[in-house]
Amino acid sequence: DQQVKQNSPSLSVQEGRISILNCDYTNSMFDYFLWYKKYPAEGPTFLISISSIKDKNEDGRFTVFLNKSAKHLSLHIVPSQPGDSAVYFCAASQRGGAQKLVFGQGTRLTINP
Amino acid sequence: DTAVSQTPKYLVTQMGNDKSIKCEQNLGHDTMYWYKQDSKKFLKIMFSYNNKELIINETVPNRFSPKSPDKAHLNLHINSLELGDSAVYFCASSLPGLATHEQFFGPGTRLTVL
Repeated sequence: DQQVKQNSPSLSVQEGRISILNCDYTNSMFDYFLWYKKYPAEGPTFLISISSIKDKNEDGRFTVFLNKSAKHLSLHIVPSQPGDSAVYFCAASQRGGAQKLVFGQGTRLTINP
Repeated sequence: DTAVSQTPKYLVTQMGNDKSIKCEQNLGHDTMYWYKQDSKKFLKIMFSYNNKELIINETVPNRFSPKSPDKAHLNLHINSLELGDSAVYFCASSLPGLATHEQFFGPGTRLTVL
């Protein structure tokens, strides 16, 4: 039962343009959503997160949008840079108890010069 | 200055052997986790400890036994290794109450069982 889904395994974007990565979830008990970036042979590194009481959070070039009614979130990167090429994971955590993260399967983003 | 470190980075072993992976964090966090990334690239929680106490155990075979000697360390011991145990294992830590809810991950240990 995959509660967090990233339906695009890969995405290719021109440098300087906007990258949009999508994520869907099924569990309405999730109350916090996070995006992680992962380079090969390294651990995931935190990018940005959003609480379920918000619909947008921005940090520099990164913006996360949350649509609770559609159970959908997206990560916008603008402008995209070559160093943004990595695998991006969407994750969610549930209120109460231990904060385990439930991850999507990742989207490989490639920024072309 | 490494925040979450794991040893070894690579581990190649035969089926049936017993092996351990060590994790240490110097962030002063109370909670530590083990995640497994399988061949399909899914990252899944295995265990979590808070101040040396087990708080999450996600239906992992009892061949896997986590041990937390203190809140800065969480080790993973695996008995009778099987081919399906081949994966990348990530350790992570967090501080409950962090506004971002983020967890800090180690670099991973790639385990290959032959």
